[in-house]
Amino acid sequence: GQQVMQIPQYQHVQEGEDFTTYCNSSTTLSNIQWYKQRPGGHPVFLIQLVKSGEVKKQKRLTFQFGEAKKNSSLHITATQTTDVGTYFCAGPVYNQGGKLIFGQGTELSVKP
Amino acid sequence: NAGVTQTPKFQVLKTGQSMTLQCAQDMNHNSMYWYRQDPGMGLRLIYYSASEGTTDKGEVPNGYNVSRLNKREFSLRLESAAPSQTSVYFCASCLGTPLHFGNGTRLTVT
Repeated sequence: GQQVMQIPQYQHVQEGEDFTTYCNSSTTLSNIQWYKQRPGGHPVFLIQLVKSGEVKKQKRLTFQFGEAKKNSSLHITATQTTDVGTYFCAGPVYNQGGKLIFGQGTELSVKP
Repeated sequence: NAGVTQTPKFQVLKTGQSMTLQCAQDMNHNSMYWYRQDPGMGLRLIYYSASEGTTDKGEVPNGYNVSRLNKREFSLRLESAAPSQTSVYFCASCLGTPLHFGNGTRLTVT
């Protein structure tokens, strides 16, 4: 079946370093969504990308959607301790309405 | 406006016991979801409901049943719990994008 893969699984950085997580789908996606889950919390929506090659920024976070609409990335510039958590990408299942499947997530830890 | 409310927050079951996880949303959303979260596995879709009275299997439906009796509520039932069902369960709802998640139920099956 359709799969959404995310790498790396874990990333440990020093505060101030940059961080990137990558998301790859086995099929073309109509859109891709990114969520953040703080330790002990629930996933919270960050952003949705819809267009091929789209790039969106939220302060220090930059989100990209690949030209083929099968991959995406999230880049954080100059990480802060508040960035700690697990970042998930998610995409709709092809031809199955509103079903949304998630990647395995990238857990980010930031050392002060 | 409470958003998505899940009960209980924690539960311990013995193998073979049954239980129902409750989820309710007050945002008038059409779609509701049940996911389970396990270390290294991300969020895996158990069941999905596009609207009241309709349900559809997700990635990992075996061992679970669901009920969407009205627009607000979407329950998840474990008929005979197994240790492999130890997990954190999240309910979510949406009207398009984005998903709004509840706070989760941490279930342990011994």
